[in-house]
Amino acid sequence: GAVVSQHPSRVICKSGTSVKIECRSLDFQATTMFWYRQFPKKSLMLMATSNEGSKATYEQGVEKDKFLINHASLTLSTLTVTSAHPEDSSFYICSASPGGNTIYFGEGSWLTVV
Amino acid sequence: SQELEQSPQSLIVQEGKNLTINCTSSKTLYGLYWYKQKYGEGLIFLMMLQKGGEEKSHEKITAKLDEKKQQSSLHITASQPSHAGIYLCGADWNTGNQFYFGTGTSLTVIP
Repeated sequence: GAVVSQHPSRVICKSGTSVKIECRSLDFQATTMFWYRQFPKKSLMLMATSNEGSKATYEQGVEKDKFLINHASLTLSTLTVTSAHPEDSSFYICSASPGGNTIYFGEGSWLTVV
Repeated sequence: SQELEQSPQSLIVQEGKNLTINCTSSKTLYGLYWYKQKYGEGLIFLMMLQKGGEEKSHEKITAKLDEKKQQSSLHITASQPSHAGIYLCGADWNTGNQFYFGTGTSLTVIP
């Protein structure tokens, strides 16, 4: 079964509204989680590193005010797309590691902004 | 920043043919991972390589990591339509640090 759960798997929101995507580690604690975005037929682009109890680290070119990341507990990180626009429509996926070489990925979340 | 380059970007092969996908890093890797994905779906973990010169196989897929730990290849023998998808290499350069994906290779297998 899944050890990293993302919710919702699909969401449609109106332009200008905000939408939250959750990433949960089910069987382990993760001090660090990662958020990725995938453009059509492209690879997964690392957006940011979510750090429990501290600010997220964003990759160059990713708007921190647009993509708010909160890692309030050792099992939950959230990505909030604020004032969403159609160009934010994408596939978002998170990952978490219990340590060592093991990395688990969520099943991803489809965001459609209309 | 994209520090993992994959080649080719896309590949179309006839069923039964062998193929190789390459993943090159600009610096020495700590761990190199291979995944398969259908666009917009979850990732399927294939293999993880960590030691220079390491080679692993699973069914008809073999992955190798070179001695310098900067290049990996994924080889599929006697390809089948079920092998079609996007192949991604992923890597970290120090444990616990950010994990990046390669540029991706889209594989189509024609029956």
